[in-house]
Amino acid sequence: GENVEQHPSTLSVQEGDSAVIKCTYSDSASNYFPWYKQELGKGPQLIIDIRSNVGEKKDQRIAVTLNKTAKHFSLHITETQPEDSAVYFCAGVKTSYDKVIFGPGTSLSVIP
Amino acid sequence: NAGVTQTPKFQVLKTGQSMTLQCAQDMNHNSMYWYRQDPGMGLRLIYYSASEGTTDKGEVPNGYNVSRLNKREFSLRLESAAPSQTSVYFCASSGQVAGELFFGEGSRLTVL
Repeated sequence: GENVEQHPSTLSVQEGDSAVIKCTYSDSASNYFPWYKQELGKGPQLIIDIRSNVGEKKDQRIAVTLNKTAKHFSLHITETQPEDSAVYFCAGVKTSYDKVIFGPGTSLSVIP
Repeated sequence: NAGVTQTPKFQVLKTGQSMTLQCAQDMNHNSMYWYRQDPGMGLRLIYYSASEGTTDKGEVPNGYNVSRLNKREFSLRLESAAPSQTSVYFCASSGQVAGELFFGEGSRLTVL
């Protein structure tokens, strides 16, 4: 089955700097890669996603890149703000099976 | 607009007791999921249901049972609770886009 690894497990950045979180997946049949943000005491919320036929996607200050050959994908947050502090999860999905497997998460702290 | 509703939000059990976590969604989604979240382990899939009447095991199904009562409701049952089942449990649903999950607020379970 799918196995998703995520690094780093914790990340601290100064406000205004960039943050990068990297994930690798094992199942070459996975074709959809969402990213979720979880704030303290809440459920995770989808913030951006990318499909296997796309190499990069951007939405304001966040972007995702995908390298299908190497089976890794990354989340990039630019101009970080304190409200970006949260736990971020990547996931790999085979949409035909509808089964979502998450990475272990990255705790991001943005220091004002 | 309720989305995904989980009950109860908090529960304390003694070892060996049983209980059921309830989940309901009002978005007419076909797929529903139960995850558990433990420190350093991320979100691990317990069971999922791709459609009404079907259920499948996830990564950590042992000690749990599920029921997809109808399209709206998906319950998780612990028949004989163990301290290892102390965790935060999240229910989620997805609709047209497989892998785009909508999460509830979570249920914090402590087994003494």
